[in-house]
Amino acid sequence: KQEVTQIPAALSVPEGENLVLNCSFTDSAIYNLQWFRQDPGKGLTSLLLIQSSQREQTSGRLNASLDKSSGRSTLYIAASQPGDSATYLCAVSPNFGNEKLTFGTGTRLTIIP
Amino acid sequence: NAGVTQTPKFQVLKTGQSMTLQCAQDMNHNSMYWYRQDPGMGLRLIYYSASEGTTDKGEVPNGYNVSRLNKREFSLRLESAAPSQTSVYFCASSPIRDRGRYGYTFGSGTRLTVV
Repeated sequence: KQEVTQIPAALSVPEGENLVLNCSFTDSAIYNLQWFRQDPGKGLTSLLLIQSSQREQTSGRLNASLDKSSGRSTLYIAASQPGDSATYLCAVSPNFGNEKLTFGTGTRLTIIP
Repeated sequence: NAGVTQTPKFQVLKTGQSMTLQCAQDMNHNSMYWYRQDPGMGLRLIYYSASEGTTDKGEVPNGYNVSRLNKREFSLRLESAAPSQTSVYFCASSPIRDRGRYGYTFGSGTRLTVV
């Protein structure tokens, strides 16, 4: 059974710093990995999707990397801003069947002004 | 606005009552999903529908039923609500898997409390 882990569960950093969020998964047979953002009381917003054949994806100040063989992904946020405060979740899709995602429990990020 | 719409946003039920959570998407996606989110547990898949007319169980299906009414709509029914079903419920959709870019779109959630 696929298990997805995100450590740490919570992280606080001063505004302007670069930071890295971690995601690990136990079964490397994945089709893709997605990073989501969730604001309090809201739904999930897709940030980046990395196909299993890719090594990284970039969107603005966000960069996500994938090392499928080691079962790891990182989300790099450059020049953090208070508006980046949210919970960040990663999820993996299996390398067969449809798009059933397995989610990590998330990292709650607080950017201190 | 295109996206996934869930109703209601909030609901309080008494133990034993029934209710249906509604979900509709206007992106012509083939697949739809119901997840529940509990503190410390992450999101867990309840049921999914790979295409119109098909449904299948996810990780935590007990106590729930679903209906894929058409390509747009996917409803989740609690026949006899229990306090353990207190949670935030999310509906999501995704296009058919292919070699192109795709991904999930989530609704804003239904916060359900069973007392």
